[in-house]
Amino acid sequence: GQNIDQPTEMTATEGAIVQINCTYQTSGFNGLFWYQQHAGEAPTFLSYNVLDGLEEKGRFSSFLSRSKGYSYLLLKELQMKDSASYLCAVINTGGFKTIFGAGTRLFVKA
Amino acid sequence: DGGITQSPKYLFRKEGQNVTLSCEQNLNHDAMYWYRQDPGQGLRLIYYSQIVNDFQKGDIAEGYSVSREKKESFPLTVTSAQKNPTAFYLCASIGQGDQPQHFGDGTRLSIL
Repeated sequence: GQNIDQPTEMTATEGAIVQINCTYQTSGFNGLFWYQQHAGEAPTFLSYNVLDGLEEKGRFSSFLSRSKGYSYLLLKELQMKDSASYLCAVINTGGFKTIFGAGTRLFVKA
Repeated sequence: DGGITQSPKYLFRKEGQNVTLSCEQNLNHDAMYWYRQDPGQGLRLIYYSQIVNDFQKGDIAEGYSVSREKKESFPLTVTSAQKNPTAFYLCASIGQGDQPQHFGDGTRLSIL
């Protein structure tokens, strides 16, 4: 079967660092995306990993280990506007079908 | 500016009625997708199309139908067979397989 697991909710403090984990079991792998989704809005692209290792983009970094079926999204210097859901998504082999996790709702408190 | 346009933003369906959600893109993307999102859940794939005049069922296609007569357009019809249609519907497209999906702003469908 195909499965993507993420924690349901996390809470962190403004200015802190938070790590959101994602584990996946999919029939084929062609890359992993992280999206941010504010309530009632469409997801927006944050990061893409296809090779093992860390990808850094400003306050956001994403890590991938294909052998472990594991990724994380790291958010630094948290701001109140980072309160949102974060979706982990895997593209299967062939590249046209994306499987989404249920998302992690992050609450940033002052 | 290129993008994906979904309409309407809000839609209400009466019992036994079919409704159609519009999705238009001017990104020249070949692949288009329809997702359903229920509160607190991720995106579930309804239908997708890789090229014009071709489409495949996703994980929850029952009670839905689509067409792809033009590259730019991928309308979704929610039929009366879909007994629980209340959800947030998102349309997306991809240019190439390793690119992120571009999403429309979504349509929120409710039952009257």
